[in-house]
Amino acid sequence: DGGITQSPKYLFRKEGQNVTLSCEQNLNHDAMYWYRQDPGQGLRLIYYSQIVNDFQKGDIAEGYSVSREKKESFPLTVTSAQKNPTAFYLCASSIQKGAYGYTFGSGTRLTVV
Amino acid sequence: DAKTTQPTSMDCAEGRAANLPCNHSTISGNEYVYWYRQIHSQGPQYIIHGLKNNETNEMASLIITEDRKSSTLILPHATLRDTAVYYCIVNAGGTSYGKLTFGQGTILTVHP
Repeated sequence: DGGITQSPKYLFRKEGQNVTLSCEQNLNHDAMYWYRQDPGQGLRLIYYSQIVNDFQKGDIAEGYSVSREKKESFPLTVTSAQKNPTAFYLCASSIQKGAYGYTFGSGTRLTVV
Repeated sequence: DAKTTQPTSMDCAEGRAANLPCNHSTISGNEYVYWYRQIHSQGPQYIIHGLKNNETNEMASLIITEDRKSSTLILPHATLRDTAVYYCIVNAGGTSYGKLTFGQGTILTVHP
């Protein structure tokens, strides 16, 4: 079945360590996105990518980095510069143009101790 | 993207229709109305979208007012599994790159 896979579902890291969250899609979607969600809040856009080897900052990009070397993959690195990294991270993909919306992964819950 | 306003929370009895309102008074002519929902600790799920006309699919119906300044998502026979946060989003996804902005949404609680 086509979809988006995020791994792992739960991740624990010590403060000061970088950590990379995986996101893979087999939907042949051009665009991919990373969102962050804090308890009781909506989703905030971190980074997005429309095509391979190109990506743009979202609303809260500081302390995060991404790469888009393959159409299917859009990993997110949470760096030690991110002040409050503990959150629920969601990856999504969409057809680049067209009102068909997003497909989301099941999320990764990152806890930094 | 146009801003949307939704009630913070709503209740609905199981088996009854759930009507979730959304105001988007600054919507532009080329912007669509999307609805998503998020069940606890999962990724949001697409429900329905529309531009001008009312829309219906297997999950829900979307009623958009003639001036397009507001809309209502209708779940015709709510079940306990419909308990979720519902997001109303406005975006010009039909003709341009679709970068969606999610607000805080409406927490819908369906009770027995």
